[in-house]
Amino acid sequence: EPEVTQTPSHQVTQMGQEVILRCVPISNHLYFYWYRQILGQKVEFLVSFYNNEISEKSEIFDDQFSVERPDGSNFTLKIRSTKLEDSAMYFCASSEAGTGGSSDGYTFGSGTRLTVV
Amino acid sequence: GESVGLHLPTLSVQEGDNSIINCAYSNSASDYFIWYKQESGKGPQFIIDIRSNMDKRQGQRVTVLLNKTVKHLSLQIAATQPGDSAVYFCAEGEYGNKLVFGAGTILRVKS
Repeated sequence: EPEVTQTPSHQVTQMGQEVILRCVPISNHLYFYWYRQILGQKVEFLVSFYNNEISEKSEIFDDQFSVERPDGSNFTLKIRSTKLEDSAMYFCASSEAGTGGSSDGYTFGSGTRLTVV
Repeated sequence: GESVGLHLPTLSVQEGDNSIINCAYSNSASDYFIWYKQESGKGPQFIIDIRSNMDKRQGQRVTVLLNKTVKHLSLQIAATQPGDSAVYFCAEGEYGNKLVFGAGTILRVKS
């Protein structure tokens, strides 16, 4: 079964450092998303991406965050200067046809646990 | 603003019993709803979805009910098994927009 792949599974970084979280979405999917989940809390939307541009972003997704699809397969989330409160699980997801456009929702990866120290 | 399922209850059921997990949503414009299962250390896994033009949908051992009048969504799991133990999230969205997740419900299955 096709899956969304995320690397690394765990990243520890010093406060103020830049991190890049990587994702390989399902190959025929056109819509891409980043969500994050602080330990014990709900899954929060960060950003959606379609047709090589951001289609929607949350208030969490400030100027420290950026996304890129550098080639035909990877989808990355960059945090320019990490803060302690950025520590969370970051999930990448992809969808064939966007919200409601297909019958299987978004497919999520297993996540990257980001720890900022 | 929109919000979904602000509470995080824990539901404990005996193996073999049926489970019902509930979710309230507040965005009356939402037209698509999904239930996800999240096991420890993993990403959310799709269980079942329903569109706003339906009030019930069945899958394998699972049924989702949608009551738009009171903005309520439920997930019924038949013959609950130990492998069903996880956190269950409802999510809602408007067609073409982002999915918004609820706070989740912990399901514990006792053997």
